[in-house]
Amino acid sequence: NAGVMQNPRHLVRRRGQEARLRCSPMKGHSHVYWYRQLPEEGLKFMVYLQKENIIDESGMPKERFSAEFPKEGPSILRIQQVVRGDSAAYFCASSLVPGQGATAEAFFGQGTRLTVV
Amino acid sequence: KQEVTQIPAALSVPEGENLVLNCSFTDSAIYNLQWFRQDPGKGLTSLLLIQSSQREQTSGRLNASLDKSSGRSTLYIAASQPGDSATYLCAVQAGTALIFGKGTTLSVSS
Repeated sequence: NAGVMQNPRHLVRRRGQEARLRCSPMKGHSHVYWYRQLPEEGLKFMVYLQKENIIDESGMPKERFSAEFPKEGPSILRIQQVVRGDSAAYFCASSLVPGQGATAEAFFGQGTRLTVV
Repeated sequence: KQEVTQIPAALSVPEGENLVLNCSFTDSAIYNLQWFRQDPGKGLTSLLLIQSSQREQTSGRLNASLDKSSGRSTLYIAASQPGDSATYLCAVQAGTALIFGKGTTLSVSS
């Protein structure tokens, strides 16, 4: 049973380019979360999605960032016109059910390390 | 606003020692508390999840406790080994998101 799969593991983009980060949740999980880990900072929540729906995007920057989780295929975190401050590790997590209880246990992928040059 | 604090930020111990990592949170209205391990340049590995109705969870040499009323959790590692060297993260869930502490970086020397 494969865990949460993220690709690419490392991504280098020049300022102004677009970055696309992909996440396939664990088998049977339909709840996906994106987190960002800036250097010397803790992990910060960005967005929570279910299939075809954004449920909570309270942690997403207002501009340039978007996320989707289509009916078929992986979840995508898209960053347009990247700037140096976007350099960070981006982690995806999935759970069976959100909220309270053991089924809410979150499992994380290996992350995508974005470097903007 | 929920805040999670982990003390100490870093810890160095010789192999074989028992040790305790601390986590505190400001709002006791949580669903779950989860402990993770993160190795350098890697993802997060879930170690233990404690539901709000539980007091502790155990897995092998790891034991995590939860005291919701005081806003505290501890992760106890017995008979530490060099392979335990990593950053340990505590996270609470009160809604959609996990709120993370900044972690305790543990170094176990042989």
